[in-house]
Amino acid sequence: DAKTTQPPSMDCAEGRAANLPCNHSTISGNEYVYWYRQIHSQGPQYIIHGLKNNETNEMASLIITEDRKSSTLILPHATLRDTAVYYCIVRVSYNTDKLIFGTGTRLQVFP
Amino acid sequence: GAVVSQHPSRVICKSGTSVKIECRSLDFQATTMFWYRQFPKKSLMLMATSNEGSKATYEQGVEKDKFLINHASLTLSTLTVTSAHPEDSSFYICSAGTQGGFDEQFFGPGTRLTVL
Repeated sequence: DAKTTQPPSMDCAEGRAANLPCNHSTISGNEYVYWYRQIHSQGPQYIIHGLKNNETNEMASLIITEDRKSSTLILPHATLRDTAVYYCIVRVSYNTDKLIFGTGTRLQVFP
Repeated sequence: GAVVSQHPSRVICKSGTSVKIECRSLDFQATTMFWYRQFPKKSLMLMATSNEGSKATYEQGVEKDKFLINHASLTLSTLTVTSAHPEDSSFYICSAGTQGGFDEQFFGPGTRLTVL
């Protein structure tokens, strides 16, 4: 599995957009970019995933660069409940394949 | 999304005893389940992959005789921590995936194990 690099922590004001970057320069052609988040003392929660096109769902948007070496997760209007550790993971899109978690980005949303 | 449950949510045991943790997929059949361990302020570390009806595959450094995994049905996997010691105290999390269904895996809420 390709490795990812994320900043260890970020702050965001409530109501503002949170933009979380991820570098995955060694990503393979058949690997997807997945984002999960983990709120304190809970299991991880799936957010979104994509291959090369930008994706949007009710939780977030995923912007993937054209060369696919990096991506950005966007929470358009962050709330206090979005405070969590966000993990960017790359792997093939078989949900029976293991997920390898890196260190993630700890997002703190403040009032 | 689909629901994965874990039981118990929290367990405290004495050193030397064994503890069983259950992971259930409530509304889908999970052909594959994964077990993770997480220490405070650390990331999730994959311990093993279990496939229904076959032996689990353990990650390097994880003792298979200490962490027994059974995936006897398409909705249940169990992790037994044998002869637990204080250093086994951790947050144990399972996830489940299924072929031909969802694109993502679903995680349980985790089990907090404290060994005295």
